[in-house]
Amino acid sequence: DQQVKQNSPSLSVQEGRISILNCDYTNSMFDYFLWYKKYPAEGPTFLISISSIKDKNEDGRFTVFLNKSAKHLSLHIVPSQPGDSAVYFCAASARTSGSRLTFGEGTQLTVNP
Amino acid sequence: DGGITQSPKYLFRKEGQNVTLSCEQNLNHDAMYWYRQDPGQGLRLIYYSQIVNDFQKGDIAEGYSVSREKKESFPLTVTSAQKNPTAFYLCASSMEASYRNEQFFGPGTRLTVL
Repeated sequence: DQQVKQNSPSLSVQEGRISILNCDYTNSMFDYFLWYKKYPAEGPTFLISISSIKDKNEDGRFTVFLNKSAKHLSLHIVPSQPGDSAVYFCAASARTSGSRLTFGEGTQLTVNP
Repeated sequence: DGGITQSPKYLFRKEGQNVTLSCEQNLNHDAMYWYRQDPGQGLRLIYYSQIVNDFQKGDIAEGYSVSREKKESFPLTVTSAQKNPTAFYLCASSMEASYRNEQFFGPGTRLTVL
């Protein structure tokens, strides 16, 4: 069963506008969430994370929002830049599962100049 | 220059042959992981190791084997029992085996079985 789901395989936005990437999860034991960015033929790189005790975490142009009641998180990128074009994965972990991460399927973001 | 290295970047093997993918890290991380990525799918955990000489199965361990004899190294063997081995394989490590630790990834190895 897919415990972390990214329902949009792709998203296209104009440079300078906001990109919003969404992620839903089903396992209520998840209490730490991460976003990774991946370019083709490379390994993912860590972007930003959020603990379940918070509902927002911001780092420069990147902000992650967590809605625990809806089991939903989102990544906002403002302003979007062409270099942001990549696949974005959300991932989740649970205190009870040690360091294991469960990943979503990924969303391909394309930022058009 | 700390990081994770995976070699080779591209690997071709004939069906029925075992193949070993290399993963080395000089970050002094305790935990290491192997993932597999297929088109349109997320990363799926194959095996992970939280400490030297110990490892656990992930979600899709069948047809794979690992060893963790040294802290820096976590090789993955894809055996002939793996039914669909063609994929992009990613190795990762984290400082501790803690649920709040971010994982750092290597560049990946693309395995093609002919």
